[in-house]
Amino acid sequence: QVQLVESGGGVVQPGRSLRLSCAASGFTFSSYAMHWVRQAPGRGLEWVALLSYDGSNKHYADSVEGRFTISRDNSKNTLYLQMNSLRAEDTAVYYCARETGRQWPSFDYWGQGSLVTVSS
Amino acid sequence: DIQMTQSPSSLSASVGDRVTITCRASQSISSYLNWYQQKPGKAPKVLIYAASSLQSGVPSRFSGSGSGTDFTLTISSLQPEDFATYYCQQSYSSPRAFGQGTKVEIK
Repeated sequence: QVQLVESGGGVVQPGRSLRLSCAASGFTFSSYAMHWVRQAPGRGLEWVALLSYDGSNKHYADSVEGRFTISRDNSKNTLYLQMNSLRAEDTAVYYCARETGRQWPSFDYWGQGSLVTVSS
Repeated sequence: DIQMTQSPSSLSASVGDRVTITCRASQSISSYLNWYQQKPGKAPKVLIYAASSLQSGVPSRFSGSGSGTDFTLTISSLQPEDFATYYCQQSYSSPRAFGQGTKVEIK
């Protein structure tokens, strides 16, 4: 069955860096676009970044542009989010999500989430 | 960027009630509109894609309608397991913006 498992979250000081990973299994990872979505405590969902199936097309939310980098290793079935210059407002649960390959895309599978806390 | 606005932000309803949540896009998104359900401490789950298509495994009491800029999620007869927060999301372009959410609470 399809599984997405995030790791790499934790407590980090403002201005420091952290890298999240999302290990995929149960499907052909290299055929799907992938996303990161975050949710600050008690808040709604915020889309963060998109990476096409082959890594050629990337998009970022304005709030993370220039600080976060999305990448993937299709040989390892893993998606990454490199987060630099972290701020208190980046504190959130970070989810990776698979985008369906159909004409009308949606996020059909999600990971369990990884909590990132930015605090001194 | 396309902005998504949901209403109401919260509502109270009883088991068996018909519930309607609306979502408005800041520009036309055709039928590129999805609805998700999220329960506390859990990842979101897709209910409706392409504005009105029911995701496999989702109960038929959930339905979606609309196109262009105005969309609706309807729960025909609210069940105890439906108390949750619901989000709309546009998939017309990046950023794939979500609405701010609608929390459905027990009356």
